[in-house]
Amino acid sequence: DGGITQSPKYLFRKEGQNVTLSCEQNLNHDAMYWYRQDPGQGLRLIYYSQIVNDFQKGDIAEGYSVSREKKESFPLTVTSAQKNPTAFYLCASSTTPGDQETQYFGPGTRLLVL
Amino acid sequence: AQSVTQLGSHVSVSEGALVLLRCNYSSSVPPYLFWYVQYPNQGLQLLLKYTTGATLVKGINGFEAEFKKSETSFHLTKPSAHMSDAAEYFCAVTPKGYSTLTFGKGTMLLVSP
Repeated sequence: DGGITQSPKYLFRKEGQNVTLSCEQNLNHDAMYWYRQDPGQGLRLIYYSQIVNDFQKGDIAEGYSVSREKKESFPLTVTSAQKNPTAFYLCASSTTPGDQETQYFGPGTRLLVL
Repeated sequence: AQSVTQLGSHVSVSEGALVLLRCNYSSSVPPYLFWYVQYPNQGLQLLLKYTTGATLVKGINGFEAEFKKSETSFHLTKPSAHMSDAAEYFCAVTPKGYSTLTFGKGTMLLVSP
């Protein structure tokens, strides 16, 4: 079955530690996105990538980094510079950026700070 | 810049009653509009979307929404609520020609027996 997988389901971060969230898709989609979800805040865009080896900052990119070395993978690193990382992180993908195709979402990763 | 306002962070209905979730948007160019549903600790699933053409859009699970340009609205309705409809609903907008979505803050739908 085609879809988006995110791992791990839960992730714990210690003070000063960088952690990486995995996002993989087998839908052959060009565009991939990372969102952060906080209660009552909706979804806010962190980074997005329209093509391999290219990505753009979203609304809340500070303290995060990404890479897009392969079409099917778009990992997100939460760095120690992100002072309030506790949130639910959602990865999404879509076929052709700019054509308003549906974004398909993964099941999410919940990040908690120890 | 585009924005989305969802009126009411929580909406409560009885099973069998009409569901109405409100969404208003602002966009400098013709918008494409979406409704997504999220069950607890899961990702988002598309309910329906408006891009062009007919302004009344039908989606999955009996939901529909009507694009009203004059009112800048895209309200979501369902004639009869089921217990399984209890979830959080998000309205989203993207102006034509853009590639990213702007989401509203969500409305939690509570369904009582």
